[in-house]
Amino acid sequence: RKEVEQDPGPFNVPEGATVAFNCTYSNSASQSFFWYRQDCRKEPKLLMSVYSSGNEDGRFTAQLNRASQYISLLIRDSKLSDSATYLCVVNFGNEKLTFGTGTRLTIIP
Amino acid sequence: ETGVTQTPRHLVMGMTNKKSLKCEQHLGHNAMYWYKQSAKKPLELMFVYSLEERVENNSVPSRFSPECPNSSHLFLHLHTLQPEDSALYLCASSQEWGGVNYGYTFGSGTRLTVV
Repeated sequence: RKEVEQDPGPFNVPEGATVAFNCTYSNSASQSFFWYRQDCRKEPKLLMSVYSSGNEDGRFTAQLNRASQYISLLIRDSKLSDSATYLCVVNFGNEKLTFGTGTRLTIIP
Repeated sequence: ETGVTQTPRHLVMGMTNKKSLKCEQHLGHNAMYWYKQSAKKPLELMFVYSLEERVENNSVPSRFSPECPNSSHLFLHLHTLQPEDSALYLCASSQEWGGVNYGYTFGSGTRLTVV
């Protein structure tokens, strides 16, 4: 089983729709959680840290479920500019972050 | 300068050349990383430096040689590369404290082509 698992997609979603991604992780002792966004041929950029209580930043909502070992990202009122690959990232309590393979999202006009 | 700066942005080299990639972070972070990203593949961790000490070497071929002279600078020395080494090479830095990593900041990467 992969340490961090995501549905690779692609997700093709009409503009204005709501889309949700889930990600599962293997280690219950995981310390910190993030969603990164990567545009084509660019570096990954931090989108959101994910906190135990869940957190919201504008149209984006992240949730953490430690009991089931998954994190989610919800995007409301999707924009064309949201098209990217979304990377689920987990820190297992050491120096490095472990990345999922990413979920590719395309917003269709 | 802010964030993580990588140079060069693009590099084309022959298989017999020697070149170096440079990374500099201006964030006061205590850990630095090299990642490789090939086309349509996930990020592959290559090397981890924590407090200037190499703590991980992820079975990377010896034709890649990292160097971390201080907490702000990281190099990747390249020699006798193969065409399959063509990829985007990403440097990242982070603050790690008490076993918790507070998230990476990536440089913009070096797009390497080996001919």
